[in-house]
Amino acid sequence: EIVLTQSPGTLSLSPGERATLSCRTSQSLSSSSLDWYQQKPGQAPRLLMYGASNRAAGIPDRFSGSGSGTDFTLTISRLEPEDFAVYYCQQYSNSPFTFGQGTKLEIK
Amino acid sequence: QVQLVESGGDLVKPGGSLRLSCAASGFIFGDSYMSWIRQAPGRGLEWVSYISTSISYTNYSDSVKGRFTISRDNAKNSLYLQMNGLRADDTAVYYCARGHTILTSWGQGTLVTVSS
Repeated sequence: EIVLTQSPGTLSLSPGERATLSCRTSQSLSSSSLDWYQQKPGQAPRLLMYGASNRAAGIPDRFSGSGSGTDFTLTISRLEPEDFAVYYCQQYSNSPFTFGQGTKLEIK
Repeated sequence: QVQLVESGGDLVKPGGSLRLSCAASGFIFGDSYMSWIRQAPGRGLEWVSYISTSISYTNYSDSVKGRFTISRDNAKNSLYLQMNGLRADDTAVYYCARGHTILTSWGQGTLVTVSS
């Protein structure tokens, strides 16, 4: 099973700042097979990015994804109040399709 | 728009069974792989299972293999998860989602609690 390790566990920033979230995988992923999801309290997760760097429909362009192999990054260029949430990465290179443990982005 | 509505969650005793349903609308259900993902209280996401469009292929996490069965009825635009031999660590909100590699839409989830 591929293990995904997200860092940091919690990120405290202010609106307007830049956020950089990391996802490291225990094995190299084929074809950048990694998604990012956002989850707000009491809500279902929402797809943000697929294939490591492709924004899902309706996702603002302040969100960007990058990376390949075993190291992936989600960047939010200028934080808006609605961006404070928990973010998960998920790999679909190998079954089982594992998730990272999440990064909580909180208001400083 | 795409809508996924789960139902069937309940309080059940260890060793018991439960069947979850997911009613889909707003897209061509029969053309989409479908998945179940769960989230234990206060914890992260765990992929559970997915099923192909024509029901010819299913896949399960090791933690549920042999106990859970995913199925679908394309005529009814519905996805199911039959859960047998339930354990305390199956307690979670269960989400159905459209897709299997890229989970494009999610339902709001249904809570399954396994406790004596």
